[in-house]
Amino acid sequence: DQQVKQNSPSLSVQEGRISILNCDYTNSMFDYFLWYKKYPAEGPTFLISISSIKDKNEDGRFTVFLNKSAKHLSLHIVPSQPGDSAVYFCAASNTGTASKLTFGTGTRLQVTL
Amino acid sequence: IAGITQAPTSQILAAGRRMTLRCTQDMRHNAMYWYRQDLGLGLRLIHYSNTAGTTGKGEVPDGYSVSRANTDDFPLTLASAVPSQTSVYFCASSESAGGGDTQYFGPGTRLTVL
Repeated sequence: DQQVKQNSPSLSVQEGRISILNCDYTNSMFDYFLWYKKYPAEGPTFLISISSIKDKNEDGRFTVFLNKSAKHLSLHIVPSQPGDSAVYFCAASNTGTASKLTFGTGTRLQVTL
Repeated sequence: IAGITQAPTSQILAAGRRMTLRCTQDMRHNAMYWYRQDLGLGLRLIHYSNTAGTTGKGEVPDGYSVSRANTDDFPLTLASAVPSQTSVYFCASSESAGGGDTQYFGPGTRLTVL
């Protein structure tokens, strides 16, 4: 049972435009969400996170939105740059139980010139 | 540079052989983790350790064992490798075992079992 889902395996966006990556979860006990970015032949690196007490968190060009009622989060990258081309994983956890991170399957973002 | 190192970078292994993947961190993090990444399946937790001397099973622990004799090292052992264990393996660490702590990942080990 995939508790964290990223239904789009890939996404192509033009440089300068907005990239929107989506993530859905089924476990209502999840209260902390993270996005990781992964380049080929490297380990994932932390990008941005959001607690369930917020509905938005912004860090430079990256903004994560959380819709708890829909069990949906999204990562917005504005403006997209060629260096943003990577695989993006969303992850979730239940901090109350110190649960481990559950990752989605990833979305490959390609930013074209 | 502080972080996580993994060895080897890649390995081709005959089925039935024993293999230990090494992981060392120098951030003095309490918690460490082993994941495998497979196409279409994302990152799946194999084993974890909340602190030195303790270990726990993740989502896909069968065929793997771990030990945590000290804070810095967290080796993953395949006692008798099978082709389904062909994957990219990532070690990670976090300051504590809490779900809200950021995990930092190593560069990965690409393992092929023939």
